[in-house]
Amino acid sequence: EVQLLESGGGLVQPGGSLRLSCAASGFTFSNYAMSWVRQAPGKGLEWVSAISGSGGSTFYADSVRGRFTISRDNSKNTLSLQMNSLRAEDTAVYYCAKGYYGSGQDAFHIWGQGTMVTVSS
Amino acid sequence: EIVLTQSPDFQSVTPKEKVTITCRASQSIGSSLHWYQQKPDQSPKLLIKYASQSFSGVPSRFSGSGSGTDFTLTINSLEAEDAATYYCHQSSSLPQSFGQGTKLEIK
Repeated sequence: EVQLLESGGGLVQPGGSLRLSCAASGFTFSNYAMSWVRQAPGKGLEWVSAISGSGGSTFYADSVRGRFTISRDNSKNTLSLQMNSLRAEDTAVYYCAKGYYGSGQDAFHIWGQGTMVTVSS
Repeated sequence: EIVLTQSPDFQSVTPKEKVTITCRASQSIGSSLHWYQQKPDQSPKLLIKYASQSFSGVPSRFSGSGSGTDFTLTINSLEAEDAATYYCHQSSSLPQSFGQGTKLEIK
């Protein structure tokens, strides 16, 4: 069974850092681009970042570019999101998602359960 | 950046009714438009990929159509379990984007 399991969320002060992880199982991880999508409390979905299967190409939303870094360890089937200089508006549930065909621009057919990030003093 | 606008934002419907949700893109995205269902405290679930391709395991009452800038999600014979928020998503160009969501309430 294909599964994604996020971890690493929590409460952090403005300006602080947090690292999210997503453990993948049930598929050949290195063959698929992966993405992060977030959802602020009571709000809609926002695409955050994507990374190619090899890890050689990365993409970011303007709202996080320069502050967030996406990476992956294909030997450990793990996707990561390093979040620095966090702001109150980064408060959200963060989901990792797998594309259907494997490209970074694709329908997301598998989603993790999400991990909550709260940025507050 | 491509903006997706869904309509309506909210709809209250009765069981067995037919529901149509539209998604309009600010520029042409071909057929790179996908639909998701999200229930409270759950992750989104893929319903339709590439405008009209049904995703495995999704009930046949869900269907999608459209291309270019105008897309439609249709739910035939609505069931109580379809109460949820529905989102469209474009993967044609970066940054990828989602519509604002359409909340369906079952009367």
